[in-house]
Amino acid sequence: DAGITQSPRHKVTETGTPVTLRCHQTENHRYMYWYRQDPGHGLRLIHYSYGVKDTDKGEVSDGYSVSRSKTEDFLLTLESATSSQTSVYFCAISEAPSGTGYEQYFGPGTRLTVT
Amino acid sequence: KQEVTQIPAALSVPEGENLVLNCSFTDSAIYNLQWFRQDPGKGLTSLLLIQSSQREQTSGRLNASLDKSSGRSTLYIAASQPGDSATYLCAVSVTGGFKTIFGAGTRLFVKA
Repeated sequence: DAGITQSPRHKVTETGTPVTLRCHQTENHRYMYWYRQDPGHGLRLIHYSYGVKDTDKGEVSDGYSVSRSKTEDFLLTLESATSSQTSVYFCAISEAPSGTGYEQYFGPGTRLTVT
Repeated sequence: KQEVTQIPAALSVPEGENLVLNCSFTDSAIYNLQWFRQDPGKGLTSLLLIQSSQREQTSGRLNASLDKSSGRSTLYIAASQPGDSATYLCAVSVTGGFKTIFGAGTRLFVKA
């Protein structure tokens, strides 16, 4: 299994509070991604990173920000959590962009509940 | 806009049966297609990746095919086992970009 960990694994928070999720990898892969998974929607890309300090938006980026200060860590922040952000969040890594021939490897996920 | 559809959404079969899971996509301009397995409460595990120039890939009892012109892929599971029970997702990567589009998955239950 690819060395990807996510923390916390479960979190319950109140509407309006800030939340930061962490993804840590030991594979030294350049590309990292944050997805959310909701029933009936599959996984949708929130943000991705193509290097240290290099990030860009995905298809559902509103209300989220990211940072990558080290190769191994990719942080996802909800500045002011809303109930619509209740979801399961997955981090993924790959050696090359997902639109090329390289596989993506996924972390175990973080279940976030916003009350 | 690329859309990925998986039918059926759920499937229940007796142990030992051969089965086919379907994935369709609306835009044939893909770079690759990947099949994943997801167990309840777990992350995704990559099963097979098919490059756009390939027709199929095999791994053990799994065989995935790709027909870009018709926008279809199938995942064939031979001699199904209860341990195969999981959700199977397909995902297509858009040519030249960072975007991977996922289907909603097929939830498979193999009865002992």
